[in-house]
Amino acid sequence: IAGITQAPTSQILAAGRRMTLRCTQDMRHNAMYWYRQDLGLGLRLIHYSNTAGTTGKGEVPDGYSVSRANTDDFPLTLASAVPSQTSVYFCASSDSAGMWDTQYFGPGTRLTVL
Amino acid sequence: RKEVEQDPGPFNVPEGATVAFNCTYSNSASQSFFWYRQDCRKEPKLLMSVYSSGNEDGRFTAQLNRASQYISLLIRDSKLSDSATYLCVVNLWRGSTLGRLYFGRGTQLTVWP
Repeated sequence: IAGITQAPTSQILAAGRRMTLRCTQDMRHNAMYWYRQDLGLGLRLIHYSNTAGTTGKGEVPDGYSVSRANTDDFPLTLASAVPSQTSVYFCASSDSAGMWDTQYFGPGTRLTVL
Repeated sequence: RKEVEQDPGPFNVPEGATVAFNCTYSNSASQSFFWYRQDCRKEPKLLMSVYSSGNEDGRFTAQLNRASQYISLLIRDSKLSDSATYLCVVNLWRGSTLGRLYFGRGTQLTVWP
């Protein structure tokens, strides 16, 4: 069982380029999330999806978009990358968005925007 | 003001020591609480949930004080393998919006031989 996979593992990207970070889970979880982690700031929620076909904005959504066409996949797109989007991006999933549900994280994507 | 505040450390302790981490949260409407562990350059993983009555899992004890909006984690008999960053996490429900996790910046622990 793979759990959550993310691709690519790392990427160096020129500013202004479009980039899609991929996230796939095989646990049939309903809820999925995208976070970014920056030194000194901790994890911050970018976008989330409580179930396939629905998405919502988190704490720092600007410059990012998501889609949830099916249960397993939750891609994150940077339409026009900027250097401030240099970060480590974690995808996560949980069975539901309930109060005590554990979130399981993928291994992360390290993105550098030059 | 951040939803969750933690002392970033670092805490450097010898093997066998007892170490405690504290965390405060700003919103009294927060409804569930967790400690996650993150090893260097790895993903966060759930260490334990924190219940109102306090709970223990082996060498780890978590406490919640709702009146003071304060969460703690106690690690007894520290092992080298406990070296990691410990993230304090609260789940906050805002009106009709489903719960969302808010993460503290983490407390770094190094256990030395």
